[in-house]
Amino acid sequence: DTGVSQNPRHKITKRGQNVTFRCDPISEHNRLYWYRQTLGQGPEFLTYFQNEAQLEKSRLLSDRFSAERPKGSFSTLEIQRTEQGDSAMYLCASSLDLAGGPSDTQYFGPGTRLTVL
Amino acid sequence: DQQVKQNSPSLSVQEGRISILNCDYTNSMFDYFLWYKKYPAEGPTFLISISSIKDKNEDGRFTVFLNKSAKHLSLHIVPSQPGDSAVYFCAASGSTNAGKSTFGDGTTLTVKP
Repeated sequence: DTGVSQNPRHKITKRGQNVTFRCDPISEHNRLYWYRQTLGQGPEFLTYFQNEAQLEKSRLLSDRFSAERPKGSFSTLEIQRTEQGDSAMYLCASSLDLAGGPSDTQYFGPGTRLTVL
Repeated sequence: DQQVKQNSPSLSVQEGRISILNCDYTNSMFDYFLWYKKYPAEGPTFLISISSIKDKNEDGRFTVFLNKSAKHLSLHIVPSQPGDSAVYFCAASGSTNAGKSTFGDGTTLTVKP
């Protein structure tokens, strides 16, 4: 078990460019979450997947954001036409949902730090 | 409207003493609470959790207390060690929202040798 990995770790882009981040969850985990964290704040929920199905999207996730999880394995988060306000740490987490069990504990990756110039 | 609040942005304690980190929540639908620790340049690391059916959960030096009537939880670290210096996030989730966690803004703990 190598934990949750995210690539790239850092991304610097110019305003208006598109960026894509990748998350590889813990292999047996069926849930995958994306969060965004800005300086001095806690992670804010963006979206989550149960296997390959995207089940919920936060109102924070504008039309410029899209996430996929093909085949229920890795996930990508794409931001189109980036804006300076998109600069943040983007965190991915995964968990194992056990039907009938307690709420699942999420395990986080190291994050991708996006800087939009 | 922030549903999970950590009112102390920072806390400093002496090594060997107890650290107490506090968290308040407003959403009565929350029934599972977690504490995460975060070092710089890393993602949050799960520390300890508690279900709403309990009022205390202990794991080594870490104990979480839950007061449902006050909608308040706290994390006790005893004895505190310099390696505990990090940002601590309180998070809450509800069984009706698929484990999606709502986080507080964190408390930076500094343990002085």
